[in-house]
Amino acid sequence: EDKVVQSPLSLVVHEGDTVTLNCSYEVTNFRSLLWYKQEKKAPTFLFMLTSSGIEKKSGRLSSILDKKELFSILNITATQTGDSAVYLCAVTSGTYKYIFGTGTRLKVLA
Amino acid sequence: NAGVTQTPKFQVLKTGQSMTLQCAQDMNHNSMYWYRQDPGMGLRLIYYSASEGTTDKGEVPNGYNVSRLNKREFSLRLESAAPSQTSVYFCASSDRGLPEEDTQYFGPGTRLTVL
Repeated sequence: EDKVVQSPLSLVVHEGDTVTLNCSYEVTNFRSLLWYKQEKKAPTFLFMLTSSGIEKKSGRLSSILDKKELFSILNITATQTGDSAVYLCAVTSGTYKYIFGTGTRLKVLA
Repeated sequence: NAGVTQTPKFQVLKTGQSMTLQCAQDMNHNSMYWYRQDPGMGLRLIYYSASEGTTDKGEVPNGYNVSRLNKREFSLRLESAAPSQTSVYFCASSDRGLPEEDTQYFGPGTRLTVL
């Protein structure tokens, strides 16, 4: 059965800290891995990763995929209170389905 | 360019009532999806439509029906609502050509309460 597991489930940090969120997966016919940020509303897209070892960056956020070890990490440096959210990882396979993890809830304290 | 829109934003139903959630996208995407999100359960796929004219069951289809009205619109119907269907419902769309086109875009959600 296809599955995506995210860790930790929740995390509390102080502004300025660096955090690393983990996403591991077991999926038949892997196509892509996506990261989303969700703040009390719809998930918003952060990154898509299809190739192993290539880092995607956007400001203080970055992500990388390891297709051999079947995981991805999302790094957030110099965290701000506005980074407080649930971060979702999803994997697509050869079917049309997206398999979502249950998310990591990040709280950044001022 | 509105992206993915959903109506209504909020709804309260009594057990046994029926309703239809509407979803439309203006990104010319082929694939559309309905999810429900419950605390601690993440996003669970109810139904999806890979392309106009096709629909398929997802992980939790019982108690729901869908219609892909045209390329833009995908509706979700609850024929006889139950309290277990209290949830937040999200519609999403994507293109599924190359893997690089897999980004899925979400509507704002419908918060449904069944009493």
